[in-house]
Amino acid sequence: ETGVTQTPRHLVMGMTNKKSLKCEQHLGHNAMYWYKQSAKKPLELMFVYNFKEQTENNSVPSRFSPECPNSSHLFLHLHTLQPEDSALYLCASSQRVAAGELFFGEGSRLTVL
Amino acid sequence: AQRVTQPEKLLSVFKGAPVELKCNYSYSGSPELFWYVQYSRQRLQLLLRHISRESIKGFTADLNKGETSFHLKKPFAQEEDSAMYYCALNDGQNFVFGPGTRLSVLP
Repeated sequence: ETGVTQTPRHLVMGMTNKKSLKCEQHLGHNAMYWYKQSAKKPLELMFVYNFKEQTENNSVPSRFSPECPNSSHLFLHLHTLQPEDSALYLCASSQRVAAGELFFGEGSRLTVL
Repeated sequence: AQRVTQPEKLLSVFKGAPVELKCNYSYSGSPELFWYVQYSRQRLQLLLRHISRESIKGFTADLNKGETSFHLKKPFAQEEDSAMYYCALNDGQNFVFGPGTRLSVLP
């Protein structure tokens, strides 16, 4: 596969569940990002990783926990979410942080019951 | 803080009509500006960037530093142009996106 791949594409979870979103990029990029996209707000940057190191946490609640084991993989661990966290979560990558263009995955549609 | 504004949430035009999607930004330095597009059930993808000075799918955008604008234009809209369009700014530290404009091209 090429590009940015996200799994699962759809996820329904209860408020007490623990789940994870996965992102993988096959572009040889060094920067990876999590964005939240919802109907009420524009694209919200959540986290930025550069060479596996977190460089940005945009005041995201601790119930969202990112993990970047290497430059190709990015996870978003979810725990005790709220219904208002229901949204499309987009992963993206770029050659370096804030350099070049962003390549996006298709997103993981999350519904919190 | 850097901001990107897109004043229109929804823009409807008829096929063959000219279209202009507005984008204004606030940034004191020299930003890099982009337009991203999201077609129905497809991923968000780059449409064009100001440094390339290209025309993609008939769209062009000119960076006007005096007016801090980067409006997207196309002389003759097509139905397949219907999509969500996001203007974005790269200040060297982060990508900042506008709220998006949904373009609907009517037959």
